[in-house]
Amino acid sequence: AQKVTQAQTEISVVEKEDVTLDCVYETRDTTYYLFWYKQPPSGELVFLIRRNSFDEQNEISGRYSWNFQKSTSSFNFTITASQVVDSAVYFCALSEAFANAGKSTFGDGTTLTVKP
Amino acid sequence: SQTIHQWPATLVQPVGSPLSLECTVEGTSNPNLYWYRQAAGRGLQLLFYSVGIGQISSEVPQNLSASRPQDRQFILSSKKLLLSDSGFYLCAWQGTSGRGSTGELFFGEGSRLTVL
Repeated sequence: AQKVTQAQTEISVVEKEDVTLDCVYETRDTTYYLFWYKQPPSGELVFLIRRNSFDEQNEISGRYSWNFQKSTSSFNFTITASQVVDSAVYFCALSEAFANAGKSTFGDGTTLTVKP
Repeated sequence: SQTIHQWPATLVQPVGSPLSLECTVEGTSNPNLYWYRQAAGRGLQLLFYSVGIGQISSEVPQNLSASRPQDRQFILSSKKLLLSDSGFYLCAWQGTSGRGSTGELFFGEGSRLTVL
């Protein structure tokens, strides 16, 4: 069975601070996908990134970066120079690859509050 | 571009009443469709998914059912609501490709159900 653990329930930072959201996963699959989603107060989940298990390159997109380490089963998300608009609930998710990729297992989420 | 809509956005229903939540996708053909439920302060739980018209798979035994009468329409129903059915219901679609799928989910705005 798959499992995703986001140990940080809530994080509060002051604007411009860097913040890292942790995600640890468990799976017996050899090929899988990892995802991060953002849920702003409006409620709609927004897809941020997908990583394949066979591609451990880290990725940077603007102020966002992701660190995938297969050896520790972690897929952490860092926001650099946080802004108030980054306040949201962030979910890490895991799925089998290919045909069952939409059947994702989600963590319980980390609520990030960025204060001005 | 692809869009997904679900309605109603909010509803309050008495115990024992029926339920119908509707989701439609535009701008894509033959998507995989999903219903997830989010309990307060928790992650998302997959309820149903569909890979085609009339094809429904249930992930969790429960008081709910789903139907897909058209390629881009997905309906979540109940004949008699329970208090435990309260939650935030999210419909999502997933793109398909030659190798299976790209994995990431695109969510609707969500429907918040309160059963009293």
